[in-house]
Amino acid sequence: KAGVTQTPRYLIKTRGQQVTLSCSPISGHRSVSWYQQTPGQGLQFLFEYFSETQRNKGNFPGRFSGRQFSNSRSEMNVSTLELGDSALYLCASSPTAGARSEKLFFGSGTQLSVL
Amino acid sequence: AQSVAQPEDQVNVAEGNPLTVKCTYSVSGNPYLFWYVQYPNRGLQFLLKYITGDNLVKGSYGFEAEFNKSQTSFHLKKPSALVSDSALYFCAVNTNNQGGKLIFGQGTELSVKP
Repeated sequence: KAGVTQTPRYLIKTRGQQVTLSCSPISGHRSVSWYQQTPGQGLQFLFEYFSETQRNKGNFPGRFSGRQFSNSRSEMNVSTLELGDSALYLCASSPTAGARSEKLFFGSGTQLSVL
Repeated sequence: AQSVAQPEDQVNVAEGNPLTVKCTYSVSGNPYLFWYVQYPNRGLQFLLKYITGDNLVKGSYGFEAEFNKSQTSFHLKKPSALVSDSALYFCAVNTNNQGGKLIFGQGTELSVKP
């Protein structure tokens, strides 16, 4: 079974631009969550989707948005990029939502560099 | 506020020696605790979790963790370290009833030398 797939692997953008990152969960997994990883702030939760509905949202500005499609694939969008948005963006999937005990399956991430 | 602390940025161990990576937590209610490992240029991989029951949890690659409620700790351990265990280790806690939203510690870089 294929793992969580994130595309693209690397991305370079300039300030003010917008970017869209894609995540395909493990087949059969219906929950997708996103995390931002930076050396200074560590891993921070962005949002979680289940059945095309956002179930949880982290403490990020409105420039960060996401969505989930009927096939469970998810995208996140960052508009008006800032230098501080440079980070590794990780997507994770799990079979269901609402279970605190479930482990997450992570993709390898998209490394975003904002110049 | 819910939080997880990993007091050591880096842990250095000789191959064959036991290792411990420390984690303490602060949550309201019963915690669901996790350990994940991250190898260079990779995403996180699940190692083990504590939900309820036995305080000693066994996980992947020979790792185990001990839940201590009185000390609010969940330290990761391995009896004999391997060079291939060198990686970044994250402790995490789940805070609500809706899966996905993990709060992570800052991570501990484990370096195992031959």
